[in-house]
Amino acid sequence: EVQLVQSGAEVKKPGESLKISCKGSGYSFTTYWIGWVRQMPGKGLEWMGIIYPGDSDTRYSPSFQGQVTISADKSISTAYLQWSSLRASDTAMYYCARPKRGSYPHDAIDIWGQGTMVTVSS
Amino acid sequence: EIVMTQSPATLSVSPGERATLSCRASQSVNSNLAWYQQKPGQPPRLLIYGASTRATGIPARFSGSGSGTEFTLTISSLQSEDFVVYYCQQYNNWPPPWTFGQGTKVEIK
Repeated sequence: EVQLVQSGAEVKKPGESLKISCKGSGYSFTTYWIGWVRQMPGKGLEWMGIIYPGDSDTRYSPSFQGQVTISADKSISTAYLQWSSLRASDTAMYYCARPKRGSYPHDAIDIWGQGTMVTVSS
Repeated sequence: EIVMTQSPATLSVSPGERATLSCRASQSVNSNLAWYQQKPGQPPRLLIYGASTRATGIPARFSGSGSGTEFTLTISSLQSEDFVVYYCQQYNNWPPPWTFGQGTKVEIK
């Protein structure tokens, strides 16, 4: 079964760092892009960035450039989303997601992780 | 950057009736348009891609149409589990790879 399994919920204080993960299984991890999508409480879906684990080619939405870092460790089929200094406004659900066709980042998304809820509060 | 606009924001429909959701792109996305359903506490689920192709396991009551800038998702006979939120997404342009509409909530009338 093709799936993306994300790390568990996090509760952090403003200014703290955080790295959440997304582990792929059931497919060739290095030949599919993986993206990250933010969903703030009660709001819609926002694309944050995307990475190709095969060569670590990474692209960011201008809205998130410089605010987060996306990486991948292909040896363990895992992608990451990290913050160096969290803010209260980072409180959201974060999904990793895989497009249908491996070599095309711009495609419909057929596989989603279950989501990681990040809460930032003092 | 392409902007996706969904209407209405909330749609009130009775069970068993037809629901018609709209999605408009600020410029042509050809047929590179997908629809997703999101239930509370769950990630989105792919319903339609290529504007009109149902994803694996999606019931036939869901259908998509349109091309260019105007798209429609139709649910022919609403079931209780269909009263949730729906998003459209364009994937024609790169970057960005994914641009979502703001969502339409289908509620029980």
